[in-house]
Amino acid sequence: DVVLTQSPAILSVTPGERISLSCRASESVDTYLHWYQQKPNESPRLLIKYASQSISGIPSRFSGSGSGTDFTLSINGVELEDLSIYYCQQGNSLPWTFGGGTKLELK
Amino acid sequence: EVQLVESGGGLVQPGSSLKLSCVASGFIFSSYNMHWIRQAPKKGLEWIALIYYDSSNKYYADSVRGRFTISRDNSKNTLYLEMNSLRSEDTAMYYCAKSTMGIFDYWGQGVMVTVSS
Repeated sequence: DVVLTQSPAILSVTPGERISLSCRASESVDTYLHWYQQKPNESPRLLIKYASQSISGIPSRFSGSGSGTDFTLSINGVELEDLSIYYCQQGNSLPWTFGGGTKLELK
Repeated sequence: EVQLVESGGGLVQPGSSLKLSCVASGFIFSSYNMHWIRQAPKKGLEWIALIYYDSSNKYYADSVRGRFTISRDNSKNTLYLEMNSLRSEDTAMYYCAKSTMGIFDYWGQGVMVTVSS
């Protein structure tokens, strides 16, 4: 199974700053890497697909990059509504797997 | 608008069975692969089952294979998860999700399953 390791586990942020979250795969997943946001007591929602492709309705401050084993989700100008848990997921090979998540909290 | 509405959860004893349902609307249900994904309390996401759009293929996570069965009724726009021999470690929020090319593009609100004596 492909193991996805996200870092850091917790990130303390200040509104307005630019941040980067990391997702590292145990083997290459090409660009079959997707990002989700889960706000407290809500279902996850798709943020970025295929490592860097934007999703309709998602604010442009969210962007993704990477391929192979190393991926990054960036938020350019964090807002309070972004305080959530972010998960990466690989869709390259079954079983589909998720990273352990990165929680954004207020500094 | 795509909607996925799960039901059937609850509190059950270890060793018992439960069947979850997910009613879909807002898209052509019979054209899309569907999944069940779960999340234990305060934990991360775990994919557990996939069924192809025409039920021709089904795949399971090792943690549930042999105990859980995914199925669908395209005439009723409904996805199912039959869970047998439930264990305490199956306690989780269960989400159904629509997928496109391995991407979970829509999720239901989830249904809670608690396995406890």
